[in-house]
Amino acid sequence: DQQVKQNSPSLSVQEGRISILNCDYTNSMFDYFLWYKKYPAEGPTFLISISSIKDKNEDGRFTVFLNKSAKHLSLHIVPSQPGDSAVYFCAARGDHTGKLIFGQGTTLQVKP
Amino acid sequence: DAGVIQSPRHEVTEMGQEVTLRCKPISGHNSLFWYRQTMMRGLELLIYFNNNVPIDDSGMPEDRFSAKMPNASFSTLKIQPSEPRDSAVYFCASSLTTRNTGELFFGEGSRLTVL
Repeated sequence: DQQVKQNSPSLSVQEGRISILNCDYTNSMFDYFLWYKKYPAEGPTFLISISSIKDKNEDGRFTVFLNKSAKHLSLHIVPSQPGDSAVYFCAARGDHTGKLIFGQGTTLQVKP
Repeated sequence: DAGVIQSPRHEVTEMGQEVTLRCKPISGHNSLFWYRQTMMRGLELLIYFNNNVPIDDSGMPEDRFSAKMPNASFSTLKIQPSEPRDSAVYFCASSLTTRNTGELFFGEGSRLTVL
């Protein structure tokens, strides 16, 4: 009954190339989607978000795309840097309480 | 501003012992969340509070788990008795629900090992 799924546990890319992390969800009532980044021994930190009424949001090297008909979102990192190596969590908000439903996470490794 | 503060950072205990994890949310935030990180399920929501009141505890695994928020600046998550399968990293997060972006602010986590 996982409402937010990240089907790729890990991803490895070369420095300077594009990293694409994917996320699928099942609940069409989600109104906000967020990406969090987590380094070892630290808490997750907010990276970028997108409202369900938009299909793209860009912040520097990071862009999130939302495809509502497919219930799919993705995070693009261009160009990837070794410092981007971390676990990335996709999350969705479904109600006014602010609680977030997270995916399992994808470990990104960017090789120099 | 100080972020979300959790203690202890690491806890090693034996099966059957009581474990208490503590959290101080960001001042002014009115919602507090307890999450558990596991390999299989990622970040799993255990319970959340709004204005110190528990709203949804359906994520709490069993009756061995309990959480309290006696005031706006403090919350505890208690496991009694603890079991090896409770070993995980437990995160506390807080937010201001009037913000439209949905962003939660996380503490650094408490890594629990139950032997």
